[in-house]
This record gives sequence, C-alpha cells and structure tokens, in this order.
Amino acid sequence: AQTVTQSQPEMSVQEAETVTLSCTYDTSESNYYLFWYKQPPSRQMILVIRQEAYKQQNATENRFSVNFQKAAKSFSLKISDSQLGDTAMYFCAFITQGGSEKLVFGKGTKLTVNP
Amino acid sequence: DTGVSQDPRHKITKRGQNVTFRCDPISEHNRLYWYRQTLGQGPEFLTYFQNEAQLEKSRLLSDRFSAERPKGSFSTLEIQRTEQGDSAMYLCASSSDTTRGYEQYFGPGTRLTVT
Repeated sequence: AQTVTQSQPEMSVQEAETVTLSCTYDTSESNYYLFWYKQPPSRQMILVIRQEAYKQQNATENRFSVNFQKAAKSFSLKISDSQLGDTAMYFCAFITQGGSEKLVFGKGTKLTVNP
Repeated sequence: DTGVSQDPRHKITKRGQNVTFRCDPISEHNRLYWYRQTLGQGPEFLTYFQNEAQLEKSRLLSDRFSAERPKGSFSTLEIQRTEQGDSAMYLCASSSDTTRGYEQYFGPGTRLTVT
C-alpha cells in the first residue's frame, strides 16, 4: 500500500522562528517525486517544494527546505524565518514515476504562525 | 495562464438530488485529475484523464459518480442521488506531459454540502 503519514496534526511557531514539519511515506516503487503543498484557509492548494527521489541533494526554495532520507522514507519540511502568511495546512504527498498518476497525500499539518 | 478554475465554488443540495461540477484546466494541460477532500483529511484521488480518455478511476468513485472530459478540454463530475457522505470539497487539478516533476496545479475546489 502507498501511504503518507504526517504525525503532527497541529503546530505553532512564532514569527521569524524556524519550524520543521514531519512526513514519512511508504511505497515499494524506487522512482517517485515528493511534494509539500500548502493550503491557506479558504484558498487553493499551491506547491511549496518538490524533491526527486533519485536526487540525494535536498531541495530548497527560498525559506523552505527539505530533509529527504530515502532509506528511512522520511521527508520533512523546514520553514525558516516564519511569516504570518505561512499560516496554512501543509500536505506531504508523493507520486510514482511511470506508475499511477495519482498524488498520495497525508492528512496534513495545520501550521499557525503567531505574531 | 489563468489557472485552474472550478464552478460552482459552493453547492448545497438535498439528499437524493443530482449535482454536476465543472473544472476548466490550464489551457495547455492535457492531464486532468479529480480529488475529494473531507474535513481533517488530505485529498483522495478519484479519477484521471489524459486528453479525453479516462485512464484511471479510484474505488472511491462509486457508480453514482461519473466524470467526463469531452474534447479533452473542461471536465465535469456528476454525482447522482447524493448522500450525506458525499459532503466534501471536490478538487480539480491539471498538468501536462511537460510539467516539471509531475507537478499538479490545483483549482479552488467546489464545496458540496448535502443536507
């Protein structure tokens, strides 16, 4: 079975501080892509960051970076210098390459950035 | 690039009624996906189109659900004889064969409430 587990239903962080969201996944495939999506309240889901499983180097996008541990099937998201606009639901997801076209999502982590 | 649009944004219906949702993907995208998101959960895959062909369907898509994508452009998702358990956010996403890293672009969703 293909699953994604986000063990932190809710988290909070002070503005300007750093927070890490956890994600583990399970797939028997060796080629896949991992994603973190952000869903602000009442707004549409947007991609935060992407990681190709065949790349050892961790992806970074401005204040967002990941810690990808393929053997452990772990894919955490670090948000540095948190901003009020980072308040949102964050979903970890993956898609296998050359297989099913569906994204498999976790249940999400609700992040609140406090002023 | 106007993004993925969905119509309506909200729909309230009585149990037993039929409803239809529309999704307009990004114009150059040939792949279109439907997901369902219930409260406190991540999106779950329903079905996938490549051009006009429906290539994959989830077991979540019961025989009361039907999706079409005539001419490979917009798509409709119809739910017949709605049940209270159908209450959810219905998300549409699109991508293309050239989309970097299998990224899917999401619409704002249609929130369905069955009373």
